[in-house]
Amino acid sequence: AQKVTQAQTEISVVEKEDVTLDCVYETRDTTYYLFWYKQPPSGELVFLIRRNSFDEQNEISGRYSWNFQKSTSSFNFTITASQVVDSAVYFCALSGSKTSYDKVIFGPGTSLSVIP
Amino acid sequence: GAGVSQSPRYKVTKRGQDVTLRCDPISSHATLYWYQQALGQGPEFLTYFNYEAQPDKSGLPSDRFSAERPEGSISTLTIQRTEQRDSAMYRCASSPVVGGIGELFFGEGSRLTVL
Repeated sequence: AQKVTQAQTEISVVEKEDVTLDCVYETRDTTYYLFWYKQPPSGELVFLIRRNSFDEQNEISGRYSWNFQKSTSSFNFTITASQVVDSAVYFCALSGSKTSYDKVIFGPGTSLSVIP
Repeated sequence: GAGVSQSPRYKVTKRGQDVTLRCDPISSHATLYWYQQALGQGPEFLTYFNYEAQPDKSGLPSDRFSAERPEGSISTLTIQRTEQRDSAMYRCASSPVVGGIGELFFGEGSRLTVL
């Protein structure tokens, strides 16, 4: 079975601090995709990144970076120099080949509050 | 359309009534998803469509839930004999690609309250 765990339910940081959101996944698939989505207070879900299981290179996009480690089944998300606008719920998600790539499973989310 | 559109945005109904929610995906998007999101939880997969085909409906909680996408575009999610536990945000998403490897574009959701 596929599962996504985000052990951190809520995190609070002071503006300009760095913060890392953890994501651990379970899958028996050898080929799979991992995602991060952001849900700001307004409620819409916004795509941030996709990574396939064969690409373990870390990715950096501005203040955002992602660390994918197959050995520990983790796909962690770091925000550098956090800003108030980063306050949101962040979801990690997984889709795999055996159950059909189309079935995208979301984790429970981590609520990030950035305090000015 | 420009984005994924869902209607109604809010629906309050009495227990036992039937409810139909509508999703109008981004034009030409092949794949359409339905998710249920309870307050403070992550989106829970209900079902998806590749065009008009519905390969997986394993996430539908019971046979009271059904979804259609007869012409491969607009989709409806129907909940029969609603129960209070059905109260949640129902989110529709579409993707331009088949195979779950593409970005999901979410609508604003339909918030259902069952009294």
